[in-house]
Amino acid sequence: NAGVTQTPKFQVLKTGQSMTLQCAQDMNHNSMYWYRQDPGMGLRLIYYSASEGTTDKGEVPNGYNVSRLNKREFSLRLESAAPSQTSVYFCASKTSGGARETQYFGPGTRLLVL
Amino acid sequence: GDSVTQMEGPVTLSEEAFLTINCTYTATGYPSLFWYVQYPGEGLQLLLKATKADDKGSNKGFEATYRKETTSFHLEKGSVQVSDSAVYFCALDNAGGTSYGKLTFGQGTILTVHP
Repeated sequence: NAGVTQTPKFQVLKTGQSMTLQCAQDMNHNSMYWYRQDPGMGLRLIYYSASEGTTDKGEVPNGYNVSRLNKREFSLRLESAAPSQTSVYFCASKTSGGARETQYFGPGTRLLVL
Repeated sequence: GDSVTQMEGPVTLSEEAFLTINCTYTATGYPSLFWYVQYPGEGLQLLLKATKADDKGSNKGFEATYRKETTSFHLEKGSVQVSDSAVYFCALDNAGGTSYGKLTFGQGTILTVHP
């Protein structure tokens, strides 16, 4: 099993450009999450998908959109990138929304917006 | 809302020293508690977890006990190695209400172990 995979690993954008971050998991998990990691702030939730066909906002959703394409894939889109979106983005998944379940993380996408 | 506070870092230790990284939390209900580790350039990996009060999570020589009375989940290791150098995150999952299984993270503690 590959677990959680993310593409690309690294991306440089200019202000105003758009891009989509891809995430896929092969563990048959129902719930998927997008986080951003900024220095000294831990990870903060952008969006999540409790199950296929549903998505909801997290703590910091402004400037982002998501699509749960199917059970495996959950993409994050930046429509008009801003320097404040320079960050490391992590996708995660787990079996369900239960608190006892472990979340599994992808390797991350490092994004630089100039 | 829920929150997690970790001790100020970074932490620098010599090999074989004792490690403690403090973590306290604020949450309603009965959250599960986690420690994740992030090695340089990599994603987060689960180190250990505890899902109810007084549970002890352990893995790779690390331990943490879920203390509801002090709302704490401190990470300890008796003898650290250079290979333990990483960033450590304390997190909670309070799946009640509308949070639907999201993790709330502390700010992370950078650990550097010297030979």
